[in-house]
Amino acid sequence: ILNVEQSPQSLHVQEGDSTNFTCSFPSSNFYALHWYRWETAKSPEALFVMTLNGDEKKKGRISATLNTKEGYSYLYIKGSQPEDSATYLCAFWNSGAGSYQLTFGKGTKLSVIP
Amino acid sequence: DVKVTQSSRYLVKRTGEKVFLECVQDMDHENMFWYRQDPGLGLRLIYFSYDVKMKEKGDIPEGYSVSREKKERFSLILESASTNQTSMYLCASSFPRDTQYFGPGTRLTVL
Repeated sequence: ILNVEQSPQSLHVQEGDSTNFTCSFPSSNFYALHWYRWETAKSPEALFVMTLNGDEKKKGRISATLNTKEGYSYLYIKGSQPEDSATYLCAFWNSGAGSYQLTFGKGTKLSVIP
Repeated sequence: DVKVTQSSRYLVKRTGEKVFLECVQDMDHENMFWYRQDPGLGLRLIYFSYDVKMKEKGDIPEGYSVSREKKERFSLILESASTNQTSMYLCASSFPRDTQYFGPGTRLTVL
C-alpha cells in the first residue's frame, strides 16, 4: 500500500484568511497527482490533475503546486470563504504495478468561520 | 455532465443479510471503483474493475465481492453483512488513469 499523507488533518480559518495544506507522496514511479474537494453531503469533485514537476494549476482562488522530485504538493486558498469549507483530498497515481488505482490521502478538513 | 448514480442513499440491513449496492455511470468509462469511507481512515478502495467482467481487489476486499456484467454497471455485494461493514460506500468511474467521478454515496447501517 502506497503512503499518501496530508497535513494538517483539520484546519479552522477566519473568512478572508489565506491558507494552504500539504500532500506528500512517494517520489518514485510518479504518474499524476489529483486534488479533490469533498463538501458535506455531496460527492468528491475533481479540482486539479497534475502531472509535471513544477506544475502550477489555478481555479479561481484555489491553486496548487507540484514537486515530484521531493514528493509533495501544496494546495492554496486565497481569501477563504465559508463556501470553501470542505475536505480536500489528494490522490496519487503511480506508474508501476497496480497502476489502475488511485491512492487517496485521508484529507484535510477545512472550516471557514464567517 | 458525467453522471454516476448509486441505487440508494441510505440503507439499513440486518447482520447476515446479503446486500447489493449498485452503481451506474453514463460516460462509457472503462474503469469503475468501489470505496468505503470511515472517519479518520479516509477513502479506502475495496474493488475496482478495468473492463467488463474484469475485477481486481483493492486494499480491503475481505467480506465483499463485485460484479460487472455490463460496462455501465458495477455492483458491490456483501455476502453476509456484518456490523463492521457499517460505512459510507462510494462508487466512482473514470477513463484509464484519468479523473474519477464519484456517485452520491450510500450510507449503509448494519444492525
